[in-house]
Amino acid sequence: QSVLTQPPSVSGAPGQRVTISCTGSSSNIGAGFGVQWYQQVPGTAPKLLIYENKSRPSGVPDRFSGSKSGTSASLAITGLQAEDEAEYFCQSIDISLSGSYVFGTGTKVTVL
Amino acid sequence: QVQLVQSGAEVKKPGASVKVSCKASGDTFTNNAIHWVRQAPGQRPEWMGWINAGNGKTKYSQRFQGRVTIMRDKSATTAYMELSSLGSEDTAMYYCARVTTAHDGFDIWGQGTMVTVSS
Repeated sequence: QSVLTQPPSVSGAPGQRVTISCTGSSSNIGAGFGVQWYQQVPGTAPKLLIYENKSRPSGVPDRFSGSKSGTSASLAITGLQAEDEAEYFCQSIDISLSGSYVFGTGTKVTVL
Repeated sequence: QVQLVQSGAEVKKPGASVKVSCKASGDTFTNNAIHWVRQAPGQRPEWMGWINAGNGKTKYSQRFQGRVTIMRDKSATTAYMELSSLGSEDTAMYYCARVTTAHDGFDIWGQGTMVTVSS
């Protein structure tokens, strides 16, 4: 069962803004647990882009931003670049699964 | 800044066990929480469990409880993940990753170890 649900794909032209949603429930995002976002290029490990809903690790461009409201979270990419083409996953913790770390279904971002 | 380097690819037969290592360097090993995450081809990452490298306490995903064991060797600054009773559904890339005390995200990842289960 999908605990965190994302759209399978989003696309945009270079320079445009795209957003990716992550829909959870009262046992994960809605319970107050932070949401993280990862970027994964094929053949490599996921890379942390956003932690605690909206904070960026050092080195992550400010084109990436995160937000959270209720039982959902969003990742926005502004000024889309060719190098942003990748798979994106959200992640949180779920108390109904004994505090397990859970990942979203994943969203493929395509730069047109 | 800690770095995590994992052992090489493995091919196992159904019913066998596999043990993957994750060597940490560049930071005090015992300050870290080392997690294991696997990712089957074309699938989302799946959390398996974690170990407190300082006190050795572990916590496992219910999905893998009884089949996975995570341990660490402080002197070797290495964490290990052993998965038993392998089936074809266990074919995946296995990653170790660190979670800091500051938040619940995986901020540093190993390069991954491909485990293939095939008869």
